[in-house]
Amino acid sequence: DVKVTQSSRYLVKRTGEKVFLECVQDMDHENMFWYRQDPGLGLRLIYFSYDVKMKEKGDIPEGYSVSREKKERFSLILESASTNQTSMYLCATAPGGARYEQYFGPGTRLTVT
Amino acid sequence: GENVEQHPSTLSVQEGDSAVIKCTYSDSASNYFPWYKQELGKRPQLIIDIRSNVGEKKDQRIAVTLNKTAKHFSLHITETQPEDSAVYFCAASFLSGGYNKLIFGAGTRLAVHP
Repeated sequence: DVKVTQSSRYLVKRTGEKVFLECVQDMDHENMFWYRQDPGLGLRLIYFSYDVKMKEKGDIPEGYSVSREKKERFSLILESASTNQTSMYLCATAPGGARYEQYFGPGTRLTVT
Repeated sequence: GENVEQHPSTLSVQEGDSAVIKCTYSDSASNYFPWYKQELGKRPQLIIDIRSNVGEKKDQRIAVTLNKTAKHFSLHITETQPEDSAVYFCAASFLSGGYNKLIFGAGTRLAVHP
């Protein structure tokens, strides 16, 4: 079974704070993704990574950055949190190659006040 | 641009009825189409997927059909049960910078009433 964990289930931060969200997987998957989920908008891709130290922008990268120093760990960073970044953040992994199916973490509900 | 449209946004059925959710995609090069189920407070879980070389796939009470010409695919759930109540997301693969990513639909909230 694929296990994808996220560092926090709930997080409350103040406007302007630097926020780190961590995702760890134990299945040696090549690919990792960060999404945000908002009602009526589905899952929108923020950033993804296909290898260590490699990152690609998704559809809504503004205000976010990422880090992948080790294969199993993919971090999402909000340099200066804003209220419009209040959302559910979901990490996902995929095996890579011709296998595109993604496996999701439990999510982090972030509230920025 | 890359887009996946999903309909309806909400669906209410009686237990035992069938439910159908439809999605359309914009890129004719898309070749992988998964469906995810997200129960309240839980993570999205892959329930079925189909690749572009197949027109239909079935797994017990759920099935997915794909029409590549029309660029749409559908999820069919037969003999619905209350535990089928959830939000369902479709997705399509898109090539971006040489890498495949998924674009998700906005979701369908399915309610199955006993």
